[in-house]
Amino acid sequence: NAGVMQNPRHLVRRRGQEARLRCSPMKGHSHVYWYRQLPEEGLKFMVYLQKENIIDESGMPKERFSAEFPKEGPSILRIQQVVRGDSAAYFCASSPPGRGALKAFFGQGTRLTVV
Amino acid sequence: SQQGEEDPQALSIQEGENATMNCSYKTSINNLQWYRQNSGRGLVHLILIRSNEREKHSGRLRVTLDTSKKSSSLLITASRAADTASYFCATAFSGGYQKVTFGIGTKLQVIP
Repeated sequence: NAGVMQNPRHLVRRRGQEARLRCSPMKGHSHVYWYRQLPEEGLKFMVYLQKENIIDESGMPKERFSAEFPKEGPSILRIQQVVRGDSAAYFCASSPPGRGALKAFFGQGTRLTVV
Repeated sequence: SQQGEEDPQALSIQEGENATMNCSYKTSINNLQWYRQNSGRGLVHLILIRSNEREKHSGRLRVTLDTSKKSSSLLITASRAADTASYFCATAFSGGYQKVTFGIGTKLQVIP
């Protein structure tokens, strides 16, 4: 059972380009969470998704950021028109279905650098 | 905000010594978790303690929780160089899903 897989591990984008980050949850997991970690800071919750549904996006910036978790395929975090301040490590976590899914498994992260 | 705040921000000890890290939070929680992050890597879940528990052990790890003071501590006994990492506490509330909020972490350096 592979862990949470994120790709790419490193992504470099020029200002104004789009960044697409992918996350494949662990087998059997239907809950996906995205977090952002700025340099020397903790992880900030961004969004929580279940298959085809956004459950909680209270941590997502209002503009340029979107997330999806389609019925088939990985979850995608999309950042449009990236700016230097978007440079960070983005982590995805997954957990199994059911209430009280208290333990999430994290991927290795995607490090986005905006130049 | 449910954010946990770790203390100290950095800790340097000799191999074999014990390391203690503290975490404070602001509101009522359902559980508190500790994670480890090696440099440039993802987070590894260490231990979860529920709000009705006061102490929990896992190998060389001991976690305590004081809900009256809204604080938790993580003790690593007989530290090893491989324990060098950042340690985060994360708090979660009873929302039926894993929405946790992390503090900025304690950077632990264990010197061989």
